Amino acid sequence: DAGVIQSPRHEVTEMGQEVTLRCKPISGHNSLFWYRQTMMRGLELLIYFNNNVPIDDSGMPEDRFSAKMPNASFSTLKIQPSEPRDSAVYFCASSPDRAVSNQPQHFGDGTRLSIL
Amino acid sequence: QQPVQSPQAVILREGEDAVINCSSSKALYSVHWYRQKHGEAPVFLMILLKGGEQKGHEKISASFNEKKQQSSLYLTASQLSYSGTYFCGTGSSGSARQLTFGSGTQLTVLP
Repeated sequence: DAGVIQSPRHEVTEMGQEVTLRCKPISGHNSLFWYRQTMMRGLELLIYFNNNVPIDDSGMPEDRFSAKMPNASFSTLKIQPSEPRDSAVYFCASSPDRAVSNQPQHFGDGTRLSIL
Repeated sequence: QQPVQSPQAVILREGEDAVINCSSSKALYSVHWYRQKHGEAPVFLMILLKGGEQKGHEKISASFNEKKQQSSLYLTASQLSYSGTYFCGTGSSGSARQLTFGSGTQLTVLP
């Protein structure tokens, strides 16, 4: 089975530009997560969807960040305008069920984002 | 609140054992363990649910003490392939909608 697919793998852009990260979860998984990983803050949950509906976006740092899940097989995380402090590795993960605390999460390979 | 992992880093020789601990200040329903190699995604190892059960995955096992709100990951007879950063993720109830991850323990196994 295909795992979680993220694109692009690497993104380098200048401050102020719009950045769009993409994720395709594992087919049949109902829950999708966006994480950000940095050395300073570790692995932080940004937003969580269940059945395409955003359930918890309390981790989204500010209004410059937005996420959508228009259907069960696609999600985007957008940063506009981007800033150097947004540089990080962004992971998408999916899991099979709503009761996420007892279901494994499957991570994509991540997008390494560098804002100059 | 983020669970606390200890130690932050450990260096072993191949064949030695290690223990990684994860503690939370909140009542826990479940603990997840993941391993991440440099430049790669975290990979799921195991989940432990409340009840003090112990689980195993090859020579890696874990325990969960819900009263102490702690979990420990045991790596027996370490192999070079065990090197990486180990994260615990905690869920605070059966319907918890998210995991909170610890800051990680960097494990290095030397030949």
